[in-house]
Amino acid sequence: ETGVTQTPRHLVMGMTNKKSLKCEQHLGHNAMYWYKQSAKKPLELMFVYNFKEQTENNSVPSRFSPEGPNSSHLFLHLHTLQPEDSALYLCASSYGGRGEIGELFFGEGSRLTVL
Amino acid sequence: AQKITQTQPGMFVQEKEAVTLDCTYDTSDPSYGLFWYKQPSSGEMIFLIYQGSYDQQNATEGRYSLNFQKARKSANLVISASQLGDSAMYFCAMKADNYGQNFVFGPGTRLSVLP
Repeated sequence: ETGVTQTPRHLVMGMTNKKSLKCEQHLGHNAMYWYKQSAKKPLELMFVYNFKEQTENNSVPSRFSPEGPNSSHLFLHLHTLQPEDSALYLCASSYGGRGEIGELFFGEGSRLTVL
Repeated sequence: AQKITQTQPGMFVQEKEAVTLDCTYDTSDPSYGLFWYKQPSSGEMIFLIYQGSYDQQNATEGRYSLNFQKARKSANLVISASQLGDSAMYFCAMKADNYGQNFVFGPGTRLSVLP
């Protein structure tokens, strides 16, 4: 069982569709993240959830909606996306306890194509 | 503002030789951590090595070592005895203690190991 699991791995959707990306971590971490990776751009932080509460929203358009029902699961709900939203969406988790360096553990990503 | 610069978009190295991937950073925070990640074609980001801003010694992890020069704000990754499996994208990242869990990533360097 891998540490951070993302589903689906590939998703193609039209601009009027509604879909969701799912992330699950089995590492006992207390923080989960969504990152966007576009071609020729640095990784962009989208959202951070700590103990189920959203603590950061990096000016992400409202067509992206996160949901963190518990410390192990994180969803990214997608609706009325634009073609420029096509990218690799990476989920990560970390443990921020005292003395921990808090490195990110990533899933394999969900490759999204918006037609 | 925090920023990571990686000036080498692509690098080539012969198998079994050593290679250095450059990373410079900018932050006004006195306490921060520097991370290197590897991203193979599968998409998953793999944590390689960490250096804390107050660490006196350069970090090492197997074939990976970090050449940390605090005054120059550089944190170069050295890979010794390169292997074909080292071919991947490499990202330098920073997390400043006063910026919560906001990791800042560089644009990455694509390393190709030649047989």
